Amino acid sequence: RKEVEQDPGPFNVPEGATVAFNCTYSNSASQSFFWYRQDCRKEPKLLMSVYSSGNEDGRFTAQLNRASQYISLLIRDSKLSDSATYLCVVNEANDYKLSFGAGTTVTVRA
Amino acid sequence: NAGVMQNPRHLVRRRGQEARLRCSPMKGHSHVYWYRQLPEEGLKFMVYLQKENIIDESGMPKERFSAEFPKEGPSILRIQQVVRGDSAAYFCATSREGLGLNTEAFFGQGTRLTVV
Repeated sequence: RKEVEQDPGPFNVPEGATVAFNCTYSNSASQSFFWYRQDCRKEPKLLMSVYSSGNEDGRFTAQLNRASQYISLLIRDSKLSDSATYLCVVNEANDYKLSFGAGTTVTVRA
Repeated sequence: NAGVMQNPRHLVRRRGQEARLRCSPMKGHSHVYWYRQLPEEGLKFMVYLQKENIIDESGMPKERFSAEFPKEGPSILRIQQVVRGDSAAYFCATSREGLGLNTEAFFGQGTRLTVV
């Protein structure tokens, strides 16, 4: 079983739409959770950390469900520039090994 | 302040040749992590180094692969006698301190290795 699993998509949505997707993780000892964004196989860039209480950053909302071991990302009012692959990333407390999901591809169309 | 610099961006090698991938950390960063991304897969941890020390190489194949981070100069990931299965994107990430709850790793643009 993969440590981090994501629906690969693609999610094709019109501009202005809301899109949401999840990822699940297998290691219950995981303590840190992140969403990264990767454009066209370029370098991953941190989008946001995910906190236990859930958090928002502009149009992006991240949620964590420890009981079910999943993390979600919701994008409101999608922009064309949101088209990318979103990587779910997990690691244990004080562990330097980041575990990456294979990514969820989102395409926003005009 | 330049970001994490990797070179070359693209590297083509014939089977059996050696590949050397370089990673220059951001200023002030002394922790380097190498990851490999195969097509349609997530990034996989390979090795973690601090200056002159390999901290964890558990994700690196035992044969043909080696990594170093000398006192002066970039970190080097070296692949000897490359095979087609080594074709992938290799990313390095660096951080100021060891990764923990509140330390961000910054990624370089990667080196795309193609073995022909």
